[in-house]
Amino acid sequence: AQRVTQPEKLLSVFKGAPVELKCNYSYSGSPELFWYVQYSRQRLQLLLRHISRESIKGFTADLNKGETSFHLKKPFAQEEDSAMYYCALNSNSGYALNFGKGTSLLVTP
Amino acid sequence: SAVISQKPSRDICQRGTSLTIQCQVDSQVTMMFWYRQQPGQSLTLIATANQGSEATYESGFVIDKFPISRPNLTFSTLTVSNMSPEDSSIYLCSVEEDGGGATDTQYFGPGTRLTVL
Repeated sequence: AQRVTQPEKLLSVFKGAPVELKCNYSYSGSPELFWYVQYSRQRLQLLLRHISRESIKGFTADLNKGETSFHLKKPFAQEEDSAMYYCALNSNSGYALNFGKGTSLLVTP
Repeated sequence: SAVISQKPSRDICQRGTSLTIQCQVDSQVTMMFWYRQQPGQSLTLIATANQGSEATYESGFVIDKFPISRPNLTFSTLTVSNMSPEDSSIYLCSVEEDGGGATDTQYFGPGTRLTVL
């Protein structure tokens, strides 16, 4: 069975500090992993796809199959990064996403 | 990415009534999904709605309670029937865009915030 675990419900960091939002998954096949972000009063939007190996808004995430993790990282957090972050897994195209419970990131000045 | 709109954006309803939520996409998409996000919770899939076939419901969700229509490749509706306060949630539709050989990606509508009194 697929499962996505985000162990931290809330993460609070100071502006300029590094941030890491943890995501672990369980899936027997080759997963497709995503990070979605929801800013206050805005819709859920895609932040990163693991296959793209891109950096968006300074965030990166590397798929570690050995540790079954897809942690989201940013070296210097900004106040505008405060939002709800969801890690999601897709077992295959055409299937719905399996979401973690989300981590609320609060960046304080 | 596809532009997705939902109507209504929010509603307050009396228990026992029904509400139909519309999802409109600005491009033709095969895969559409309906999710529910209860207060303080993550997103849970209700059903997959593909054009030309019956919707496929997840465990815990039934067609009598959440009937879905998918008349064409740009539109879908979700009805929440015989509502109770436990149905108070945000309901979101999403579409999957063809990645053209790369990862297909899902994009979400703005959601419909439903409160049942």
